[in-house]
Amino acid sequence: KAGVTQTPRYLIKTRGQQVTLSCSPISGHRSVSWYQQTPGQGLQFLFEYFSETQRNKGNFPGRFSGRQFSNSRSEMNVSTLELGDSALYLCASSPVTGEGDTQYFGPGTRLTVL
Amino acid sequence: AQSVTQLDSQVPVFEEAPVELRCNYSSSVSVYLFWYVQYPNQGLQLLLKYLSGSTLVKGINGFEAEFNKSQTSFHLRKPSVHISDTAEYFCAVSDVVGTASKLTFGTGTRLQVTL
Repeated sequence: KAGVTQTPRYLIKTRGQQVTLSCSPISGHRSVSWYQQTPGQGLQFLFEYFSETQRNKGNFPGRFSGRQFSNSRSEMNVSTLELGDSALYLCASSPVTGEGDTQYFGPGTRLTVL
Repeated sequence: AQSVTQLDSQVPVFEEAPVELRCNYSSSVSVYLFWYVQYPNQGLQLLLKYLSGSTLVKGINGFEAEFNKSQTSFHLRKPSVHISDTAEYFCAVSDVVGTASKLTFGTGTRLQVTL
C-alpha cells in the first residue's frame, strides 16, 4: 500500500496570507490527524477527523481549521498567517479498529511564514 | 491529562555500543505506548508499540522497549547501534479510553552515533 502523502512538501507564505495543506491517507484508513512540529513546542496535536467529522481538537486558535472528504482525504487551513505558524505540519492516518490504532505519518509539509 | 517525559534531549554513543533512551509517562487511565523515529527532513516512522500483553516489545531495526507499569516507563533499547540510527526519537502515549486517535508526544531524544 502507498503511504500517507502530503502536498505540497514545502511552502513559503507571508504574514496575513492563508494556506491550505492536503493529506491523502493510506487506502482504507478512515481517521486523519494533524500535528504541528516546531523546535520550541515540539509535536502538538491539532485535530482529528473521522468520517468527515472532527472528532478531537487540540489547543490551537480558530485560525486553524480542517476538513475531511468522503474519500478520507483531508485538508487543513490556516488563515491570517503569523510568523509563529512556521512549522512542519504532519498528517497521520489510522485504520480505526478501536484497538490502539497506530498512526502512520506522512513526510510533512514545511511551512515558512515570512 | 496525559504527559510524556523524555529525560535526555541528546544521547551521544559510539557505533556498536548499546543505548537506552528513556521515556516516562503520566496518565490517569490505561494507555497505549509508542516509539517513533524521525530522520532529517522526514516524517515519523513507527519503531514499536505496546498495547497489551508481554511487557517486552520488539520493533524494527533491532530496537526493543520494555513497559513497566509500576515505574510508568517505556524505555527504548538497542544492544548495538549503527551510524544509520542517528535520528530523533519520540515517545508517545494514546488513551485506551475511547477510539479517537490522539497522540501526546515527548520532547524527543536526539541520538547521535559516531565512529
